[in-house]
Amino acid sequence: GAVVSQHPSWVICKSGTSVKIECRSLDFQATTMFWYRQFPKQSLMLMATSNEGSKATYEQGVEKDKFLINHASLTLSTLTVTSAHPEDSSFYICSARVPGSLPEAFFGQGTRLTVV
Amino acid sequence: KQEVTQIPAALSVPEGENLVLNCSFTDSAIYNLQWFRQDPGKGLTSLLLIQSSQREQTSGRLNASLDKSSGRSTLYIAASQPGDSATYLCAVPKTSYDKVIFGPGTSLSVIP
Repeated sequence: GAVVSQHPSWVICKSGTSVKIECRSLDFQATTMFWYRQFPKQSLMLMATSNEGSKATYEQGVEKDKFLINHASLTLSTLTVTSAHPEDSSFYICSARVPGSLPEAFFGQGTRLTVV
Repeated sequence: KQEVTQIPAALSVPEGENLVLNCSFTDSAIYNLQWFRQDPGKGLTSLLLIQSSQREQTSGRLNASLDKSSGRSTLYIAASQPGDSATYLCAVPKTSYDKVIFGPGTSLSVIP
């Protein structure tokens, strides 16, 4: 199968600061990656679709100016939480598909963000 | 818009029991269906994937079925063990490159 690596696995930051989360496809090229968020005891909700070389597509209700997504290469997408607040504390996880090759969706290990 | 539901939301069973987790989806135009396991505070572990043309998949004590026309899938766990305690999520994409929509999950607790 394909491997998606996410970094860091956990991060604690102060309110008002920005945090960057990286998502890498290690052994395949991902033209599209997906970013999900999971609040405690809830399911994973899609935040945005990251497209290599173009702007990300955000789901309704997700602030694009707060959650900056950059997909500058075929193996790397980044999610930057800007001016973080305690309510942004959540589990963030990225995913990639390998269309035309492997049927399943592959997920990173996730990042636990705590804003204090 | 695809909506995925799972029943029950939580389940507690004694060790050794066989159990069934249910997943329903509103749009039958799916590419496949995946079942995941998530331990508390952890990421996702892929358990089984059923292609849209398949009826079921088996892996060890796990068996997943798919009835695409009725929008349902079941995950059968045989001879449950305490180590099976986790949240089980089903998820569906529309195409081979589309986003995956998750159900809310079933929280399973297997009591020794």
